[in-house]
Amino acid sequence: NAGVTQTPKFQVLKTGQSMTLQCAQDMNHNSMYWYRQDPGMGLRLIYYSASEGTTDKGEVPNGYNVSRLNKREFSLRLESAAPSQTSVYFCASSEGQATDTQYFGPGTRLTVL
Amino acid sequence: GQSLEQPSEVTAVEGAIVQINCTYQTSGFYGLSWYQQHDGGAPTFLSYNGLDGLEETGRFSSFLSRSDSYGYLLLQELQMKDSASYFCARPTDSWGKLQFGAGTQVVVTP
Repeated sequence: NAGVTQTPKFQVLKTGQSMTLQCAQDMNHNSMYWYRQDPGMGLRLIYYSASEGTTDKGEVPNGYNVSRLNKREFSLRLESAAPSQTSVYFCASSEGQATDTQYFGPGTRLTVL
Repeated sequence: GQSLEQPSEVTAVEGAIVQINCTYQTSGFYGLSWYQQHDGGAPTFLSYNGLDGLEETGRFSSFLSRSDSYGYLLLQELQMKDSASYFCARPTDSWGKLQFGAGTQVVVTP
């Protein structure tokens, strides 16, 4: 099992460019999550998907969109990147209950110039 | 701002014991989790407390007191490989949305 995979690992964008971060899990998990991590801020939830076909906003959704393509895949899109979106982005998945462990991908390190 | 408070850094020597405290706001409490993150790596799950008391997993233990809105992670017999950041996190709903503390960096010295 690969667990949770993310592509790309690194990305540099110019302000105003768009891109999609890809995430896939092979654990047959119901729920998937996107977090961003900034120095000294811990992880903050951007969007999550409780099941295929559903998505909902987290703590910091502005400037992002998501798509739960199927049970395995959950993508995060930046339509018009801004320097404030420079961060490390982590995707995670879980069975979907509050007591369940979340499994994280390796992260995407994004720099917006 | 963060509704989970934890110290920013703790330094200790190999073989010592370190306790990382976490205090949280009590609205909609679904338990308290702990995650470890090495530099440049992904967070990995360490433990979960849904009820009051101590949970032990090898050298790591986690404690919860719901009446005090407080928990801690105890790292015993510290090893160099334990140098990492440790995050407390709480689910904010029954579907597992997590809110994380800012993290505690543990530095283990020889």
